[in-house]
Amino acid sequence: DTVLTQSPALAVSLGQRVTISCRASKSVSTYMHWYQQKSGQQPKLLIYSASNLESGVPSRFSGSGSGTDFTLTIDPVEADDIANYYCQQSNELPPLTFGSGTKLEIK
Amino acid sequence: EVQLVESGGGLVQPGRSLKLSCAASGFTFSNYYMAWVRQAPKKGLEWVATISTSGSRTYYPDSVKGRFTISRDNAKSSLYLQMNSLKSEDTATYYCSVGDWFAYWGQGTLVTVSS
Repeated sequence: DTVLTQSPALAVSLGQRVTISCRASKSVSTYMHWYQQKSGQQPKLLIYSASNLESGVPSRFSGSGSGTDFTLTIDPVEADDIANYYCQQSNELPPLTFGSGTKLEIK
Repeated sequence: EVQLVESGGGLVQPGRSLKLSCAASGFTFSNYYMAWVRQAPKKGLEWVATISTSGSRTYYPDSVKGRFTISRDNAKSSLYLQMNSLKSEDTATYYCSVGDWFAYWGQGTLVTVSS
């Protein structure tokens, strides 16, 4: 199984740039996707296939990476971005796997 | 507009069964793989099952293999999850979604396994 590792939490100041990382235990090519989940809501797709911005998602969000190392960048961070962020790989089925999530907090 | 509406959740005793449904609209259901993803309370996301467009191929993680069965009815644009031999660790909100990355999510249905 492909294990995805994320930092548990990050604190950032409003208006600053933040990068959220996701490391895969083996190569997933560019089959990496990013989700935002706000409290009490269903997840929302932000980035698909490593770097493609989902329709309707603000351009403050961007994704990069290939192979085993991926990043989600938010620049600049807004108060509305407080959420949990999950990466997910679809290079291997089964299983599809998610990272454990990164909680974004404001300093 | 794509809509996914899950139903069928509730409180069930350990060892019992439950069947979830997902009504899909706003896209050509029969053209897409479909999946179930769950989230235990205060926990992360876990993929539960995927089914091919025709239903001929299904995929599960080890945690539910042999207990859960995903199925679909393309004529009704509906997705199902039959859950047998339920355990307390199956307690979660269950979401249906489309494809192998999940651009669309329903609101979820809560399954609580408890005596």
